[in-house]
Amino acid sequence: KAGVTQTPRYLIKTRGQQVTLSCSPISGHRSVSWYQQTPGQGLQFLFEYFSETQRNKGNFPGRFSGRQFSNSRSEMNVSTLELGDSALYLCASSTRPPEDNNEQFFGPGTRLTVL
Amino acid sequence: SQKIEQNSEALNIQEGKTATLTCNYTNYSPAYLQWYRQDPGRGPVFLLLIRENEKEKRKERLKVTFDTTLKQSLFHITASQPADSATYLCALFNYGQNFVFGPGTRLSVLP
Repeated sequence: KAGVTQTPRYLIKTRGQQVTLSCSPISGHRSVSWYQQTPGQGLQFLFEYFSETQRNKGNFPGRFSGRQFSNSRSEMNVSTLELGDSALYLCASSTRPPEDNNEQFFGPGTRLTVL
Repeated sequence: SQKIEQNSEALNIQEGKTATLTCNYTNYSPAYLQWYRQDPGRGPVFLLLIRENEKEKRKERLKVTFDTTLKQSLFHITASQPADSATYLCALFNYGQNFVFGPGTRLSVLP
């Protein structure tokens, strides 16, 4: 079974631009979560989707948004990029929602650099 | 305030010894806790999950304990090998907040 895939793997943008990152979960997985990982703040939860519904959102500004499609693929968007948005963005999928005690499978991440 | 801490930023141990990593939390009531391994440039890989009503879980050379009174989880790797060198992350699931990750402990197993 193929793992979680994320595209692109690397991205360089300039301040003020916007960016869209994509995540394809493992086949059959309906829960997708997004995380931001930085050296200073570690891994921080962004959003969680299950069956196209955003069920939970972390403490991030409204510039960060996302969605999930009917095939469970998910995208996240960051508008008006700031230098501090430079990070590794990780997507994780699972078969059931997080409250159902199940493991998450992470993708390799998208490394975003904002200049 | 809410906090999740892992006791050491880095831990060096000799091959063959048992590595013990600690995860402490404050002002959370986690439904369950997970441990992940992360290698440089890669996403975390799930290792073990332990629920709030469980005291201990084992998987091969790995063991995790969960003490909700002490608000602490211990993660043990027995007979450690250089291939176990990685960063280990604890993550607690808190209703309404989803997953909260600790800062990680970078383990180095020396041959």
